[in-house]
Amino acid sequence: KQEVTQIPAALSVPEGENLVLNCSFTDSAIYNLQWFRQDPGKGLTSLLLIQSSQREQTSGRLNASLDKSSGRSTLYIAASQPGDSATYLCAVVIQGAQKLVFGQGTRLTINP
Amino acid sequence: DAGITQSPRHKVTETGTPVTLRCHQTENHRYMYWYRQDPGHGLRLIHYSYGVKDTDKGEVSDGYSVSRSKTEDFLLTLESATSSQTSVYFCAIKGQARGTDTQYFGPGTRLTVL
Repeated sequence: KQEVTQIPAALSVPEGENLVLNCSFTDSAIYNLQWFRQDPGKGLTSLLLIQSSQREQTSGRLNASLDKSSGRSTLYIAASQPGDSATYLCAVVIQGAQKLVFGQGTRLTINP
Repeated sequence: DAGITQSPRHKVTETGTPVTLRCHQTENHRYMYWYRQDPGHGLRLIHYSYGVKDTDKGEVSDGYSVSRSKTEDFLLTLESATSSQTSVYFCAIKGQARGTDTQYFGPGTRLTVL
């Protein structure tokens, strides 16, 4: 059974810092990996999707990497801003399936 | 915004009553999903659909049924609501009509079962 883990569960950093969020998964036979953000009381917003054949994806200040062999992904946020405060979730789609398996998220707080 | 709406957005009901949640999409996506989100458990898949009248179970399907009679609508029914089904329910679509595998989520329905 695929399990997805995100560490740490919570992170607080001062504004302007670069930071890395971690995601690990137990079964390397994934089809793709997706990063989301969720603001309190809101739905999920898709940030980046990495296909299993890709190593990284970038969108603005965000860069996500994927190392399938080690079962890890990282989300790099450059020059963090208070507006980046949210919970960040990673999720994988297993090969042959159409379903996302989610980690429990990292709650990020950027302090002005 | 992937044109996904959910109704109702909030509902309070009593144990033992049937409840139906609706997910509506406007972009003709084939795959639709229902998830629930609970503290300590994260997001878990309940059921999903891969076409009209084609559905399959997810991780936590007991006590739930689904129907998809039209491409645009995916209904989730709690046959007899229990307090353990108090949760936030999210609908999602896979954006193949946009040429992507990205899943897009609706705004959620907060359900309270008393």
